[in-house]
Amino acid sequence: QKEVEQNSGPLSVPEGAIASLNCTYSDRVSQSFFWYRQYSGKSPELIMSIYSNGDKEDGRFTAQLNKASQYVSLLIRDSQPSDSATYLCAVSTGRRALTFGSGTRLQVQP
Amino acid sequence: SAVISQKPSRDICQRGTSLTIQCQVDSQVTMMFWYRQQPGQSLTLIATANQGSEATYESGFVIDKFPISRPNLTFSTLTVSNLSPEDSSIYLCSVEVGQEREKLFFGSGTQLSVL
Repeated sequence: QKEVEQNSGPLSVPEGAIASLNCTYSDRVSQSFFWYRQYSGKSPELIMSIYSNGDKEDGRFTAQLNKASQYVSLLIRDSQPSDSATYLCAVSTGRRALTFGSGTRLQVQP
Repeated sequence: SAVISQKPSRDICQRGTSLTIQCQVDSQVTMMFWYRQQPGQSLTLIATANQGSEATYESGFVIDKFPISRPNLTFSTLTVSNLSPEDSSIYLCSVEVGQEREKLFFGSGTQLSVL
């Protein structure tokens, strides 16, 4: 079982819609959770972090964490073509280096 | 965040040679991390580099193949030795910056192609 699992996609949504990206993790002691965006040919860029159960909102992005279900998600409201990228879920296992999922490719159709 | 400069941005190397990748940060950081991203794959941690101590390698990565230096709090190098085509990948350095725990920021990456 992979430590961090994501659906590889592509997830295709129309412009203006809500994109929902999901991630599950296997280590119950994980404490910190991150979403990175990676454009093709570029390095990952941190867009959200979440540490407590519930929702955390930042602009058009909302991260949701459910530690009991070992589930973290990212919602992107009013999706734009510029949001088209691969979104990587990352989890801290307490060793300060992050474990990454394989990423979900998001395509926002104009 | 921090400005993380990584050199070279890309290189094409012959089998059996080595490539050294440099990572320079514009502020002092305690821990630096080296990741590999193979084509179409996610990021895999190679090693953690602390200043003043030997790097800590993840399972499947060994010092002879991936020697790391960390001479000060702003700089690190990763060498990929005895190159084979399987080493063709993007190599990324990353650092933890700021007060919030465990946030990693990445350099621009080095794309290595081995012929």
